[in-house]
Amino acid sequence: DSGVTQTPKHLITATGQRVTLRCSPRSGDLSVYWYQQSLDQGLQFLIQYYNGEERAKGNILERFSAQQFPDLHSELNLSSLELGDSALYFCASSRAGTVKDTQYFGPGTRLTVL
Amino acid sequence: GEDVEQSLFLSVREGDSSVINCTYTDSSSTYLYWYKQEPGAGLQLLTYIFSNMDMKQDQRLTVLLNKKDKHLSLRIADTQTGDSAIYFCAESTNSNYQLIWGAGTKLIIKP
Repeated sequence: DSGVTQTPKHLITATGQRVTLRCSPRSGDLSVYWYQQSLDQGLQFLIQYYNGEERAKGNILERFSAQQFPDLHSELNLSSLELGDSALYFCASSRAGTVKDTQYFGPGTRLTVL
Repeated sequence: GEDVEQSLFLSVREGDSSVINCTYTDSSSTYLYWYKQEPGAGLQLLTYIFSNMDMKQDQRLTVLLNKKDKHLSLRIADTQTGDSAIYFCAESTNSNYQLIWGAGTKLIIKP
């Protein structure tokens, strides 16, 4: 158990809908990362937050947004969902959000868009 | 641009050594990581090596780094069925906060 929790574990929804994925980092970790893992694209970095502020942006679509709250939990919002958004979404956390910090991954949320 | 490459599959017999290879392009890499992903689970950090090291050993795991060729390998001694997983190589650089990930190597264990 990495100490990172993600909810829900599974999510099934329809095209055009909007969903919110939630992540709680390990105790003491200030930085949260979001990743998308799909069969054809592999592991893609989406976005990173550090202590409530966006720190780095990867291949995140405009239909997706995220935020980190004062209690350090984070939410990833996916809207106007398309079939191709079906994937595993991972959250990771690290202590200070630098490249020297180990990232600890949550178990993931499996999103299925029908 | 930055890139990390791995072969997609490796098949070994139980009890043999597994060697998973990774190449990277950014010569300013600082840390190189190996993560393991078991079926249906998140990624778990296995080990990492700082770029000024050539080798790191941790029980059954040996990491070798060839900076000249930008080649990283993970050797798993006495491979067991519990080692079946996807192994991801990732590098960090001084230029950004995010890791650059390989596509992952699926390790298949034959009895």
